[in-house]
Amino acid sequence: KNEVEQSPQNLTAQEGEFITINCSYSVGISALHWLQQHPGGGIVSLFMLSSGKKKHGRLIATINIQEKHSSLHITASHPRDSAVYICAARGAGNMLTFGGGTRLMVKP
Amino acid sequence: DAGITQSPRHKVTETGTPVTLRCHQTENHRYMYWYRQDPGHGLRLIHYSYGVKDTDKGEVSDGYSVSRSKTEDFLLTLESATSSQTSVYFCAISEEPSGEQYFGPGTRLTVT
Repeated sequence: KNEVEQSPQNLTAQEGEFITINCSYSVGISALHWLQQHPGGGIVSLFMLSSGKKKHGRLIATINIQEKHSSLHITASHPRDSAVYICAARGAGNMLTFGGGTRLMVKP
Repeated sequence: DAGITQSPRHKVTETGTPVTLRCHQTENHRYMYWYRQDPGHGLRLIHYSYGVKDTDKGEVSDGYSVSRSKTEDFLLTLESATSSQTSVYFCAISEEPSGEQYFGPGTRLTVT
């Protein structure tokens, strides 16, 4: 069974700061997903990646397959980025194993 | 946004009563999933479907059953609700088993 760990669990930043959220997994995977859960509860898919790096606006996701590690970066953070960020590893049978989430608060 | 709705959005029920949650999609995606989200556990897969009348168990399927009689609807049933099934339930859909999943708004279920 894949174990997916995220760090930190909680993160408070000032507006404008560069933010990094980490995700590590224990077993080889076919893809890694990053999700954002809004304070109201809705879950949105941000990225799905199997190698290298992807960028969308101020969000950048990277993955290192050899090290079984992925990072989500937020540049020029803004209070509207406040949310829970969840990584999920796609393993055997295309099933997702989810991390526990990182709760981010960006203060103005 | 993917067209996924869940009903009801909130429900309070008593221990021992049957409960059915509905997930409805307008995207014609083949794959549908039911997850539960609990503090300290993250999201966990309950059941999933890979087509009409084709379903399989996930990680935490005990106490739950599902049915899919139409592409657009995936029902989750708690035959006899217990307090341990108090949770937030999310439905998700995907076009391919290896593709992105799109989540519904969630149903908050409280079993008293």
